[in-house]
Amino acid sequence: SQQGEEDPQALSIQEGENATMNCSYKTSINNLQWYRQNSGRGLVHLILIRSNEREKHSGRLRVTLDTSKKSSSLLITASRAADTASYFCATDAKETSGSRLTFGEGTQLTVNP
Amino acid sequence: DVKVTQSSRYLVKRTGEKVFLECVQDMDHENMFWYRQDPGLGLRLIYFSYDVKMKEKGDIPEGYSVSREKKERFSLILESASTNQTSMYLCASSLGWLAGTYEQYFGPGTRLTVT
Repeated sequence: SQQGEEDPQALSIQEGENATMNCSYKTSINNLQWYRQNSGRGLVHLILIRSNEREKHSGRLRVTLDTSKKSSSLLITASRAADTASYFCATDAKETSGSRLTFGEGTQLTVNP
Repeated sequence: DVKVTQSSRYLVKRTGEKVFLECVQDMDHENMFWYRQDPGLGLRLIYFSYDVKMKEKGDIPEGYSVSREKKERFSLILESASTNQTSMYLCASSLGWLAGTYEQYFGPGTRLTVT
């Protein structure tokens, strides 16, 4: 079953605006990761946040994690047309082994120039 | 940089054929994974492997098998392809949990069509 659920399913914004995507999950986790997928390609890892962290930054990316609400958000600031892609959250659940991840269904982000 | 390669970008097979999808990684990763990706369903784990000759079922193993004879290579086998196995197949690899890093590195994907 899919643990991560992204919200919204699709987001369309103008270049320069900020984009926020949310992810909810169901079980206790070791860490939560965000990935990006350009159309028809493989996924690329963006950022990882551990269960004992609340916020993490990487360039124009900001990720927050609220383990009490079992939710995370990914903020992309000053978006560019090149940020157009699908974004997935993935959870490394405590109950599973071997570094397997459970992916959500993704948010399709379109940044209009 | 880690490189994960998949044998084909596009593949068309007929119903009932045996299909092999190959994945190779060049960074000595312990873990390897096979996913399928379908619209509205995200990525679903088919099988994964912790080590050579080791395999574990994921969430949707039915109709698939895997082989890992060498550390760098992980094969997905469709014993008798069916139209409902038309999908994008993604391979990924990662270091083992002892390394303390957990991100997965993905190949470019194989778009399989079964007619």
